[in-house]
Amino acid sequence: ELKVEQNPLFLSMQEGKNYTIYCNYSTTSDRLYWYRQDPGKSLESLFVLLSNGAVKQEGRLMASLDTKARLSTLHITAAVHDLSATYFCAVDAPRHFGNEKLTFGTGTRLTIIP
Amino acid sequence: NAGVTQTPKFRILKIGQSMTLQCAQDMNHNYMYWYRQDPGMGLKLIYYSVGAGITDKGEVPNGYNVSRSTTEDFPLRLELAAPSQTSVYFCASSYEDKAYEQYFGPGTRLTVT
Repeated sequence: ELKVEQNPLFLSMQEGKNYTIYCNYSTTSDRLYWYRQDPGKSLESLFVLLSNGAVKQEGRLMASLDTKARLSTLHITAAVHDLSATYFCAVDAPRHFGNEKLTFGTGTRLTIIP
Repeated sequence: NAGVTQTPKFRILKIGQSMTLQCAQDMNHNYMYWYRQDPGMGLKLIYYSVGAGITDKGEVPNGYNVSRSTTEDFPLRLELAAPSQTSVYFCASSYEDKAYEQYFGPGTRLTVT
């Protein structure tokens, strides 16, 4: 069974600081997704990482994937209040035909403090 | 495109009642999913579908049923509602040409009392 763990679960950061959220998963996969969820809202796709060594950046967020270590990171640079949200990673199940489904991590609730 | 739409947005059910949560997408995605999210938790997969007429169980299917008669629609049926089914329900869809990136609906907040 695929397990996806995120840490930390809760993170309070000061504005302007840098930090990293970690996503570990238990079985081989070469597709990993990051989502953002604002309180009371739905999930918004941030990044899709499709191969070992993939790196994607959007604004102050940068995501990377190391499939050999079964690890993805979401790095936040010079945090601003607008980044306060819960961030989820999700991993594609070991692939076989007709089995394209994701297992989600528990989420990291990020609070940016002025 | 409207994307993924869900109705209703909110619903209160009494124990033992039944209801259907509606989900529709207009992106011609062949994969569709139902998740539940309990307060402060991640998402758990209830059922999913890889195309019209094909559905399969996810991690927590008990107490739910689905059907997929068209590409666009994927309703979730709750039979004999129980307090444990109080949750927020999200529908999502994906497509292989977009690397199976899932697009989520706005959610249905269900309370069973």
